[in-house]
Amino acid sequence: DTGVSQDPRHKITKRGQNVTFRCDPISEHNRLYWYRQTLGQGPEFLTYFQNEAQLEKSRLLSDRFSAERPKGSFSTLEIQRTEQGDSAMYLCASTSQRGVRGYTFGSGTRLTVV
Amino acid sequence: AQSVAQPEDQVNVAEGNPLTVKCTYSVSGNPYLFWYVQYPNRGLQFLLKYITGDNLVKGSYGFEAEFNKSQTSFHLKKPSALVSDSALYFCAVRDITETSYDKVIFGPGTSLSVIP
Repeated sequence: DTGVSQDPRHKITKRGQNVTFRCDPISEHNRLYWYRQTLGQGPEFLTYFQNEAQLEKSRLLSDRFSAERPKGSFSTLEIQRTEQGDSAMYLCASTSQRGVRGYTFGSGTRLTVV
Repeated sequence: AQSVAQPEDQVNVAEGNPLTVKCTYSVSGNPYLFWYVQYPNRGLQFLLKYITGDNLVKGSYGFEAEFNKSQTSFHLKKPSALVSDSALYFCAVRDITETSYDKVIFGPGTSLSVIP
């Protein structure tokens, strides 16, 4: 098990374009989270999956954002019609069902919208 | 609503000296508290957690944290700082409201610099 993987590591896109990020969690973890982190700030919660079900979405997640976890394994986060304000580090984390455990984070995808 | 405060943006400490990174929290019930560390261009790494029991929690890399319910604090400590401890440190609290699905809320972070 190599931990939580995120792809790509970096993405530069023009304003108005669509982007999609992928997260592969630890295989036995059924809970998956997306966070966004801007420079000098702590991670902000975006959305959460338990298996394939998206159970919670932050008000930060506008209609331009959509996330999926179709088979309860990997997840994708898509941003449509990107804006400069979307520039941030997008972090994925996973954890197991039982108890309260620390998250395992991926290294993140850094998005720059120009 | 649950929240976390880290009153210091920056902490500087000399190598070999003890270090403390402060954290205070606000929750409606009993808190689950966490510390994470972030090195440049890396994801966050879990250091330690407090759920229940002993107020002094030991974690990775020689770090420990002390839970103080009366002061609603969860300060991170290390007896002897290393230059390699220089990083960004985040305190976090579990949102235990019914619909939160153990979502964790992070503080703004404290940048620790250990000076050789």
